[in-house]
Amino acid sequence: DAKTTQPNSMESNEEEPVHLPCNHSTISGTDYIHWYRQLPSQGPEYVIHGLTSNVNNRMASLAIAEDRKSSTLILHRATLRDAAVYYCIRGSTLGRLYFGRGTQLTVWP
Amino acid sequence: ETGVTQSPTHLIKTRGQQVTLRCSSQSGHNTVSWYQQALGQGPQFIFQYYREEENGRGNFPPRFSGLQFPNYSSELNVNALELDDSALYLCASSPPLGAEAFFGQGTRLTVV
Repeated sequence: DAKTTQPNSMESNEEEPVHLPCNHSTISGTDYIHWYRQLPSQGPEYVIHGLTSNVNNRMASLAIAEDRKSSTLILHRATLRDAAVYYCIRGSTLGRLYFGRGTQLTVWP
Repeated sequence: ETGVTQSPTHLIKTRGQQVTLRCSSQSGHNTVSWYQQALGQGPQFIFQYYREEENGRGNFPPRFSGLQFPNYSSELNVNALELDDSALYLCASSPPLGAEAFFGQGTRLTVV
């Protein structure tokens, strides 16, 4: 049971920012929020994770709502290589990731 | 640094047969997890190994079993293959105290 809700698909133009939403209304206080992405014919790739505070890394930013019931993955400037399925995952135990169906991101040139 | 490698990349088996899939974890990673990904679905957690012991299992029957070796590499064994076992099998390794899982490219299993 993934216990997260994401839109099935989103689209963006190249070089524009992308905001990928995720709802996790039943999240517990100790659950982290992880984001992974999967390009065609590849295994999932770690993007970012966080607990309460907003997080930034070289790939993306993660904005977590104050009540922690939702979060948003932000790609600051989408490129064609960012086209992938993005998974929002809540988890409290290292390495045990319970994936949903994710959001298919299409990036147009 | 060598990443997570899985073998074979593709495999075709007949219903009722047994299969063994292999995974070499990334250097220094002592935790290995296995996932099954059916077409159009997200990966589903099968089980996790930590220091050669099973450390958590998803909703999969006992005919799915595994091993982890002293060098932290791992095997996934599936007995009595069924057509629905056709999927991409993914292995992921994690470092001690790390939050990031590193996935291999997967093994595509087709059961006919």
